[in-house]
Amino acid sequence: DAGVIQSPRHEVTEMGQEVTLRCKPISGHNSLFWYRQTMMRGLELLIYFNNNVPIDDSGMPEDRFSAKMPNASFSTLKIQPSEPRDSAVYFCASRLGLAGNTDTQYFGPGTRLTVL
Amino acid sequence: DQQVKQNSPSLSVQEGRISILNCDYTNSMFDYFLWYKKYPAEGPTFLISISSIKDKNEDGRFTVFLNKSAKHLSLHIVPSQPGDSAVYFCAASGGSGTYKYIFGTGTRLKVLA
Repeated sequence: DAGVIQSPRHEVTEMGQEVTLRCKPISGHNSLFWYRQTMMRGLELLIYFNNNVPIDDSGMPEDRFSAKMPNASFSTLKIQPSEPRDSAVYFCASRLGLAGNTDTQYFGPGTRLTVL
Repeated sequence: DQQVKQNSPSLSVQEGRISILNCDYTNSMFDYFLWYKKYPAEGPTFLISISSIKDKNEDGRFTVFLNKSAKHLSLHIVPSQPGDSAVYFCAASGGSGTYKYIFGTGTRLKVLA
């Protein structure tokens, strides 16, 4: 299996621009998670989906952030408009399901976002 | 408020010696704990986990210890190898957010050859 795939790997944009990050989960996994990594806060959970349905978006920092999962093999995280404080590494992770807590989450390689 | 804390941002250890990484948590509802390892430019990868019904779990050179009364867990790597140099994240889950992992800020381990 190719694992979780994220694109782009690096994104540099200017403040005010729209940014779209993409994720393809592992085939057969029903749960998908978006995280943001910063030095100060470590890995923060932004939102997660189960069977393409958003379950908890309480970690989404502001209305400028939105996420969709139109089908089982694709998800996007959009920031509009972007701000310099959004600069971070964004990870997508997938997991077999949401039942119990022992299923492992598998992470993608991340997208490093820089907002100038 | 950080529910999972890794108070040491970095740690250096000589090759062959023991590495001990520490993690503290505040939520007594957490019942499952994990360690992830992260190399530069890669995503975190699962390393080892422990359920709250145990106080120790071993996997090769890696052992995780859980002290529930102190709300503390630690990861021991023996012997440490240069390839172990990475950032280690502690995570916890349980309670109402069973499938949510709450991560710490990470500890950067450097194993010196």
